[in-house]
Amino acid sequence: SAVISQKPSRDICQRGTSLTIQCQVDSQVTMMFWYRQQPGQSLTLIATANQGSEATYESGFVIDKFPISRPNLTFSTLTVSNMSPEDSSIYLCSGRNDYGYTFGSGTRLTVV
Amino acid sequence: AQSVTQLGSHVSVSEGALVLLRCNYSSSVPPYLFWYVQYPNQGLQLLLKYTTGATLVKGINGFEAEFKKSETSFHLTKPSAHMSDAAEYFCAVRPGSGNTGKLIFGQGTTLQVKP
Repeated sequence: SAVISQKPSRDICQRGTSLTIQCQVDSQVTMMFWYRQQPGQSLTLIATANQGSEATYESGFVIDKFPISRPNLTFSTLTVSNMSPEDSSIYLCSGRNDYGYTFGSGTRLTVV
Repeated sequence: AQSVTQLGSHVSVSEGALVLLRCNYSSSVPPYLFWYVQYPNQGLQLLLKYTTGATLVKGINGFEAEFKKSETSFHLTKPSAHMSDAAEYFCAVRPGSGNTGKLIFGQGTTLQVKP
């Protein structure tokens, strides 16, 4: 199955700033997804990253807050904009190909 | 709307005992079903999945799960727990209709294994 490298693995950021998280897949995947996992909770889908077009966002998530890019079939970024302490969470990317789903190791974000 | 319910946010078993983690889903169309494990500070690792065919699915590390359509369940079992099984376990469903490919996750179950 595909392997995803996600960076950074963790960061501590000041409120009001933005952080961009990158995911690089070692092979092409048809779909990529971004999830948020708040402390002690499950994974909540933020959006589906579409190659060459705007991402598809889930209810409660908006592009201005979480802009996503996917320039090709192996790479995607998620930006957490104008951060507040409520954005402190783990962010995970996922890719899907014919063999199934694979996940990045996550970015642990703390906003202070 | 599709949903996944994991009964029991924490399960504690003794080493060598049976592990049973429960998962129920709601879907009008048979979905694809998954179990993932997450170790501390790591991403999700696939344990097993059900798509079609045999309803008893065997996965890695001695885990297995049975798809029961009549009960809309996909419970995860392991005959004998090992200390290394202590982790967070997530059941997930990929809805069978209106398929966008996204996964919907349950709330997670923390498995504690006591010596």
